[in-house]
Amino acid sequence: GENVGLHLPTLSVQEGDNSIINCAYSNSASDYFIWYKQESGKGPQFIIDIRSNMDKRQGQRVTVLLNKTVKHLSLQIAATQPGDSAVYFCAETPSNTGKLIFGQGTTLQVKP
Amino acid sequence: EAQVTQNPRYLITVTGKKLTVTCSQNMNHEYMSWYRQDPGLGLRQIYYSMNVEVTDKGDVPEGYKVSRKEKRNFPLILESPSPNQTSLYFCASSHREDYGYTFGSGTRLTVV
Repeated sequence: GENVGLHLPTLSVQEGDNSIINCAYSNSASDYFIWYKQESGKGPQFIIDIRSNMDKRQGQRVTVLLNKTVKHLSLQIAATQPGDSAVYFCAETPSNTGKLIFGQGTTLQVKP
Repeated sequence: EAQVTQNPRYLITVTGKKLTVTCSQNMNHEYMSWYRQDPGLGLRQIYYSMNVEVTDKGDVPEGYKVSRKEKRNFPLILESPSPNQTSLYFCASSHREDYGYTFGSGTRLTVV
């Protein structure tokens, strides 16, 4: 069925290190992918997105990689900071729908 | 300030008593959507709307109703709430299908 899944429920990194959060998706019809950050007590916050005609997109300290061959999405955070501690979700949108399908989430813990 | 506003933030109700959670956005977005978030199940889409008077079911629509009579508002209606609808609810809006959704702050609903 349609499912977006994350490989690790929890990721613990040292402050200053780079973080990589992975996600696998199964819907070949999805052509738009988003990473969200959710801090405790708040709604998901948009971080970065990528369309299926791209394989890499960079933002400020974040990079999203898309591998359509193996249906894999990753979020790289450079120089991870304590403020990056949160739950990170990948999400996908199948083409021509208003659907947004979320993965299960990875909790990023940043150790000072 | 561009935002999605949900009310109330917290609600405790009894089984069978009809309730409405309101959602309003001030960004003139076409797309609006409702999600519920449960531990271990992540975020699941309840209903979405691609424009005024256009709504469609998400992954978990049972027990919920929505309406989109005007562009800015997208209320979620529980005609006869049950304890299994105890959850954290989020409303979100987007300019178009391939554009990141902006989320509200959430409504924590408890049905006893």
